[in-house]
Amino acid sequence: DSGVTQTPKHLITATGQRVTLRCSPRSGDLSVYWYQQSLDQGLQFLIQYYNGEERAKGNILERFSAQQFPDLHSELNLSSLELGDSALYFCASSVLADNEQFFGPGTRLTVL
Amino acid sequence: AQSVTQPDIHITVSEGASLELRCNYSYGATPYLFWYVQSPGQGLQLLLKYFSGDTLVQGIKGFEAEFKRSQSSFNLRKPSVHWSDAAEYFCAVAPYNTNAGKSTFGDGTTLTVKP
Repeated sequence: DSGVTQTPKHLITATGQRVTLRCSPRSGDLSVYWYQQSLDQGLQFLIQYYNGEERAKGNILERFSAQQFPDLHSELNLSSLELGDSALYFCASSVLADNEQFFGPGTRLTVL
Repeated sequence: AQSVTQPDIHITVSEGASLELRCNYSYGATPYLFWYVQSPGQGLQLLLKYFSGDTLVQGIKGFEAEFKRSQSSFNLRKPSVHWSDAAEYFCAVAPYNTNAGKSTFGDGTTLTVKP
């Protein structure tokens, strides 16, 4: 158990819909990262937040957005969902000045 | 731009045999290197990391990796593989000593262990 929690574990929805994925980092970690893992794209870094502010951006689509709240939990919002958005979405966290990331168990999103 | 190449998509070894998983990276400055393992249906777990010091680093579960700057490689090794090591292994590189965690992951190597 890494100490990073993600909800829900599974999510099934339809094309065009909007969903929110939630992540609680390890106690004391200020940085949260979001990744997408799919069979054809592999593990892709989406976005990083540090202490409430966006820190780094990767291959995140405009239909996707994220935020980190004052209590440091983070949410990833996916809208206008397409079949190709079906994937495992991982959250990871790390402490300041340390790129060792601790991954959550992931949320499996299925878009029908 | 940083990049990571794991040349072997799939490796099969017999239980008890030695293992080496290859990782080559491209990064313009001092890299921060990681190996992660992902069991089916699970998140990624850090096996080991390297950013300075002894180029041979020890990790959990009996794994070790050697950093070779001249070859831009960070290969993962284990002297005797156990059936429970069957999983997917990811090599990653990140900027050293920054908070911009733009880690770049390789495409992964799937390890199958034969009895």
